[in-house]
Amino acid sequence: DAGVIQSPRHEVTEMGQEVTLRCKPISGHDYLFWYRQTMMRGLELLIYFNNNVPIDDSGMPEDRFSAKMPNASFSTLKIQPSEPRDSAVYFCASSLGRGAAGAFFGQGTRLTVV
Amino acid sequence: GESVGLHLPTLSVQEGDNSIINCAYSNSASDYFIWYKQESGKGPQFIIDIRSNMDKRQGQRVTVLLNKTVKHLSLQIAATQPGDSAVYFCAEREVGNTDKLIFGTGTRLQVFP
Repeated sequence: DAGVIQSPRHEVTEMGQEVTLRCKPISGHDYLFWYRQTMMRGLELLIYFNNNVPIDDSGMPEDRFSAKMPNASFSTLKIQPSEPRDSAVYFCASSLGRGAAGAFFGQGTRLTVV
Repeated sequence: GESVGLHLPTLSVQEGDNSIINCAYSNSASDYFIWYKQESGKGPQFIIDIRSNMDKRQGQRVTVLLNKTVKHLSLQIAATQPGDSAVYFCAEREVGNTDKLIFGTGTRLQVFP
């Protein structure tokens, strides 16, 4: 298995633009997590899905952030409009049946908003 | 240990020595703990876990110790190798909330020859 696949690996965008991050979880996994990592705040859980259904989005910073999981093999995290303070590394992780405990992480998307 | 802000605590060890990385967790109700390793440019990778009904668990070259009295977790790496150089995070999971992990801020391990 190729593991969790995220795209793009790097994204540089201008303030105000829409940004879409993509994630393909490991086949068969029923949990999908989106995390954000910054030096100041470390790893923060933004939202997670179970069987494609959003379960907890309490970590989503504000309405500018939205996440979808239209099917078991694909999820997106969208930021609209983007701001410089959104600059971070965004990780997607997936797991099978164990919730967050058995999660495998993708390589991350490094987002820079200028 | 833990710190907040721009600078991760750093542990520098010589190749072949043992390393001990510490973590203070926040919630006495947490029932499950995990150590992750994150290499530069990569996502966190599971190393070892421990449940709150245990105080020690061993893996290959790694041992996790849990002291619930003082809410302290440690990761011991035996015979540290250059490939162990990375940032190490502890994570805790609350009882009754199997789906969420709270990560610590991390410790950078540097291994020099």
